[in-house]
Amino acid sequence: QQQVKQSPQSLIVQKGGISIINCAYENTAFDYFPWYQQFPGKGPALLIAIRPDVSEKKEGRFTISFNKSAKQFSLHIMDSQPGDSATYFCAAFSSGSARQLTFGSGTQLTVLP
Amino acid sequence: ETGVTQSPTHLIKTRGQQVTLRCSSQSGHNTVSWYQQALGQGPQFIFQYYREEENGRGNFPPRFSGLQFPNYSSELNVNALELDDSALYLCASSGREPGNEKLFFGSGTQLSVL
Repeated sequence: QQQVKQSPQSLIVQKGGISIINCAYENTAFDYFPWYQQFPGKGPALLIAIRPDVSEKKEGRFTISFNKSAKQFSLHIMDSQPGDSATYFCAAFSSGSARQLTFGSGTQLTVLP
Repeated sequence: ETGVTQSPTHLIKTRGQQVTLRCSSQSGHNTVSWYQQALGQGPQFIFQYYREEENGRGNFPPRFSGLQFPNYSSELNVNALELDDSALYLCASSGREPGNEKLFFGSGTQLSVL
């Protein structure tokens, strides 16, 4: 299976709150897990990424938590800001011959001022 | 900005027509991938080009085809357009070296098929 399941579909958070987006995968061949942020009319932009040998990675206000045994990973956005309002996609990378990304279905995040 | 440029930004076609979309990869990147993003969904892998050859393909029919040129730029061609082909088409460039999994996306071409 190449599927990556993402939840929730939409999320509304107050300014300063914590936004949490969850993803689960099935294919154990995935070996790189990025998160992308997409604003309307733009392509996805790489936000942060993690490899399965690490359980957590933090960059500024963004943290990825990774649970290899459960095949789940999540994005935490601390101190959420209105400028964080965007669609967030988790993805999983397969380093076979094609080196392709499999994306989740996306989470529309709205941070209220 | 990622340095990946796509043209045109918007395109309107009618069913049955053919379309060509273009992509210039980021400097130093030798691999180009194309993705289709339907409204409200995540991008789906169409195919990838490396050294001017198709290097992998997603679940898309043969009427989706592509080219990569010696300067690593790329084209996506879609023949016999169908209404369901209406989507944002994204190009992503990357390096090929092991460990270089970062894909950099362009802003896409919004294709509408009427």
